[in-house]
Amino acid sequence: NAGVTQTPKFQVLKTGQSMTLQCAQDMNHEYMSWYRQDPGMGLRLIHYSVGAGITDQGEVPNGYNVSRSTTEDFPLRLLSAAPSQTSVYFCASSRQGRAGAFFGQGTRLTVV
Amino acid sequence: TQLLEQSPQFLSIQEGENLTVYCNSSSVFSSLQWYRQEPGEGPVLLVTVVTGGEVKKLKRLTFQFGDARKDSSLHITAAQPGDTGLYLCAGAGGGADGLTFGKGTHLIIQP
Repeated sequence: NAGVTQTPKFQVLKTGQSMTLQCAQDMNHEYMSWYRQDPGMGLRLIHYSVGAGITDQGEVPNGYNVSRSTTEDFPLRLLSAAPSQTSVYFCASSRQGRAGAFFGQGTRLTVV
Repeated sequence: TQLLEQSPQFLSIQEGENLTVYCNSSSVFSSLQWYRQEPGEGPVLLVTVVTGGEVKKLKRLTFQFGDARKDSSLHITAAQPGDTGLYLCAGAGGGADGLTFGKGTHLIIQP
């Protein structure tokens, strides 16, 4: 029972590089979201999706893009990495927005 | 911007003691959730409360949702070293998108 799977677990990027963080869930959840977790800041919402083909911005969307072509997958793209994007990124899924969320193990990203 | 204030930020107590963690906001939430996170892992859902005044128990953990649905508390009875971790509260609804998280309570239970 995989739940929410994120890849990679660790990544180092140079400033200006782009990359995609992968997220997949096998629970047939409609609602998926991306958060970043920084020391002293807690978890902050980047983007979310209420179903395939529908995405919207969260609290800190700048510098990130998302798409939702299938129910299962919700990749997060960093367009041009900056040191301020150094963080731990978590993907989550739930039956609906107000329901309890299942989180992946996270991707620790360092931008140098 | 909705805010969830958690207190205390850090708590270190001896095994067997009781403790309470608080989560407060000026906003009304449709539901409030508590998570526990261990180093290098994602948050794991402990409980969701949706009704004002609701109390839920999970073994030695008791969760309460305030009558006005603006605050919540987590009470641990007879804490054990295995309870060590980062406890996060998160509110859903109330006009914001997704979940609004508090900054967390770092709990250490010393043997």
